[in-house]
Amino acid sequence: EIVLTQSPATLSLSPGERATLSCRASQSVDNYLAWYQHKPGQAPRLLIYDASNRATGIPARFSGSGSGTDFTLTISSLEPEDFALYFCQQRRNWLSITFGQGTRLEIK
Amino acid sequence: QVQLVESGGGVVQPGRSLRLSCTTSGFTFSDYGMHWVRQAPGKGLEWVAVISYDGSNKYYVDSVKGRFTVSRDSSKNTLYLQMNSLRAEDAAVYYCARALGHYLDYWGLGTLVTVSS
Repeated sequence: EIVLTQSPATLSLSPGERATLSCRASQSVDNYLAWYQHKPGQAPRLLIYDASNRATGIPARFSGSGSGTDFTLTISSLEPEDFALYFCQQRRNWLSITFGQGTRLEIK
Repeated sequence: QVQLVESGGGVVQPGRSLRLSCTTSGFTFSDYGMHWVRQAPGKGLEWVAVISYDGSNKYYVDSVKGRFTVSRDSSKNTLYLQMNSLRAEDAAVYYCARALGHYLDYWGLGTLVTVSS
């Protein structure tokens, strides 16, 4: 099983600041990685797929980068609605879809 | 707009069965594969199962193989998860999600399954 490790567990920032979230895979997943946002009481939302492609309707302030084992989600300038839980997911194959434990982005 | 609504969760005794449903709207259900994902209390997300757009292919996480069955009814735009021989470790919020390849582009709000005697 491919293990995804996200860091930090919690990130405290202020609106307007830049957020950088990390996801590291225990083995290469090529670029088969997605990022999701999850707010309490809401459905998770796909932000980025294939490491760097923004999903439909996702603002340009969200960007993804990386390949192999190291990936980054960057939010260029935090909006109040961006404070949420973020998790990554790899899709190396059908039999091995796994998620990271998540990074909680909180208001400082 | 795309909507997915899970139902069927509840409290069930260990060893018993439960069937979850995911009613969908806003897209052509028969064109998409569908996933089930769960999150146990205090834990991260765990992918559970996927079914292809036509129901011909199904895959499961090892921990539910032989106990859970994913199915779909395109006439009702509904996805199902039949869960048998439930264990304490199956307690979780269960989400259905639409497949974008092997990603999950739309999710429901989830339904809570509690396994307790």
